[in-house]
Amino acid sequence: AIQLTQSPSSLSASLGDRVTITCRASQGISSALAWYQQKPGKAPKLLIYDASSLQGGVPSRFSGSGSGTAFTLTISSLQPEDFATYYCQQFITYPLTFGGGTKVEI
Amino acid sequence: EVHLVQSGAEVKKPGESLKISCKGSGYTFTSYWVAWVRQMPGQGLESMGIIYPGDSDTRYSPSFQGQVTISVDKSTSTAYLQWNNLKASDTAMYFCARGVQLQRPSPFFDSWGQGTLVTVSS
Repeated sequence: AIQLTQSPSSLSASLGDRVTITCRASQGISSALAWYQQKPGKAPKLLIYDASSLQGGVPSRFSGSGSGTAFTLTISSLQPEDFATYYCQQFITYPLTFGGGTKVEI
Repeated sequence: EVHLVQSGAEVKKPGESLKISCKGSGYTFTSYWVAWVRQMPGQGLESMGIIYPGDSDTRYSPSFQGQVTISVDKSTSTAYLQWNNLKASDTAMYFCARGVQLQRPSPFFDSWGQGTLVTVSS
């Protein structure tokens, strides 16, 4: 199975900060990567698919980049509602796998 | 609007059986994959398996193969996740999710159910 390693596992940031989260795949996955946001007690929400395509309704401060084995999720200016845990997921092959998550805290 | 509505929380004893559900609405149920995702307390997301309601093609992640059964009832647009012998380690939140396959071998998930909390305790 393809392993996805996210870094950091947690980070502290302030309102207005630029935040970057990294996801590395154990083998090349082209651009078949999605990013999700999960708040406590809630279901995950799709932010980005195909590494850089913004899901409808998601604010433009979220962006994704990368291909092959290295990917990033960037929040250009952190807002109060962005404090959450973020997961990457590969969809190039089965079994579908998620990264371990990055918790963004104040 | 796409909706996935899951069945309510369950409390079971070890060794018991359980079947939880996920009802889709607002879209053509048979044209999208439905996945089940486990989240153990305080932990991350794990894909358990996925089913294509159109032809019941089912793929299990290796860790869950033989441990659970995923099925679907097209007539009611409902997917199911079933256990025959629950263990305390099955205690978790379980999410269903709609899988979108865009010119890729496998899907990502654009809509999620609200989650079903399963507690297994003697």
